[in-house]
Amino acid sequence: GAGVSQSPSNKVTEKGKDVELRCDPISGHTALYWYRQSLGQGLEFLIYFQGNSAPDKSGLPSDRFSAERTGGSVSTLTIQRTQQEDSAVYLCASSTRAPAGKNYGYTFGSGTRLTVV
Amino acid sequence: ELKVEQNPLFLSMQEGKNYTIYCNYSTTSDRLYWYRQDPGKSLESLFVLLSNGAVKQEGRLMASLDTKARLSTLHITAAVHDLSATYFCAVVQETSGSRLTFGEGTQLTVNP
Repeated sequence: GAGVSQSPSNKVTEKGKDVELRCDPISGHTALYWYRQSLGQGLEFLIYFQGNSAPDKSGLPSDRFSAERTGGSVSTLTIQRTQQEDSAVYLCASSTRAPAGKNYGYTFGSGTRLTVV
Repeated sequence: ELKVEQNPLFLSMQEGKNYTIYCNYSTTSDRLYWYRQDPGKSLESLFVLLSNGAVKQEGRLMASLDTKARLSTLHITAAVHDLSATYFCAVVQETSGSRLTFGEGTQLTVNP
């Protein structure tokens, strides 16, 4: 597609429920990132996928968080047993590697606003 | 660990005035980005700065990079209300897998 697509745009869930957030990156982009933005805060790195390499999960805040990227394209971020502190906007970004092997352009999706009640 | 700090975090200014937002980072970086975020919206890319002394300008915004000082500035000239937004700088280290590390953001309000 023309941009990074995220769904749903808004999600309200009860504490303790599991949620799945979806990211559809720009076609051909090999790298995909998930970030979390809490109200009035900066962006916190969660996880990074690059091609077929093992993902960098170093930013995931707890083992309740996991993510997959199927076929090198669509990614799903899953939060199990949601807690109120998980309420935030979850942003996905994708980028492509230039010939020098570096990612230059990062395009962000519109985000999923998650509210845990 | 790479840390990115912006100041000020909040900036209220009048239309027509000039001001500068500062972005300091703690370790050597490969490149630096500036983003704009409007309330409830995603991030819009403004500039990418690749090398020491790089300067880029778009309209009333100009960004520069001093890699020796580990400092980038975003200068606003003759501010207008439409520039009201939150501005983030973000730094990339290839050793960290190309991920962006963000500053806290500067919330800019331009008053008529």
